[in-house]
Amino acid sequence: SQQGEEDPQALSIQEGENATMNCSYKTSINNLQWYRQNSGRGLVHLILIRSNEREKHSGRLRVTLDTSKKSSSLLITASRAADTASYFCATAAGTDKLIFGTGTRLQVFP
Amino acid sequence: DAEITQSPRHKITETGRQVTLACHQTWNHNNMFWYRQDLGHGLRLIHYSYGVHDTNKGEVSDGYSVSRSNTEDLPLTLESAASSQTSVYFCASSDLGEQYFGPGTRLTVT
Repeated sequence: SQQGEEDPQALSIQEGENATMNCSYKTSINNLQWYRQNSGRGLVHLILIRSNEREKHSGRLRVTLDTSKKSSSLLITASRAADTASYFCATAAGTDKLIFGTGTRLQVFP
Repeated sequence: DAEITQSPRHKITETGRQVTLACHQTWNHNNMFWYRQDLGHGLRLIHYSYGVHDTNKGEVSDGYSVSRSNTEDLPLTLESAASSQTSVYFCASSDLGEQYFGPGTRLTVT
């Protein structure tokens, strides 16, 4: 069964706009990670946030984690056409084993 | 540069045949994982290994097996391929949480 559920399933925006994706999960976690997948490619790790962290930044990415609500959000600021991809959250509960959500498909129009 | 490779990239096989998908990593990671990706399901864990001679079942392990005889390789075997195993298969490795993914193998069982 899936641990993470992303919302929305699909998102279309214009270049320069911000994109926000949300992830909800069911059980206690050690960390939560976000991955990007371009069409026909493998997943690429974006950012990891630990259960004792509330916010983390990496370039144009901002991730928040609310363990009381069992939810996380990924914000991509000033989006570019190259950000078009599927984005997945994944949770870890103490080992390196991850449980992935079903993903958000982001389309950024030039 | 370290990498993780999968072969073949595409495979068509018949129902009932045994198929082995290769995964090779040069990161020297102890942890390796096999996932399948299907529309509407995201990535689901098939088998994983935390080191040589260690293997564990994941969420969807029925009909699959793995063996780990060295650090670099974790081949995935479909004992008797079924049409339900038509999917895209990804191998990944990790050491400290973040997973590195291979490019995937698209398997079609006819």
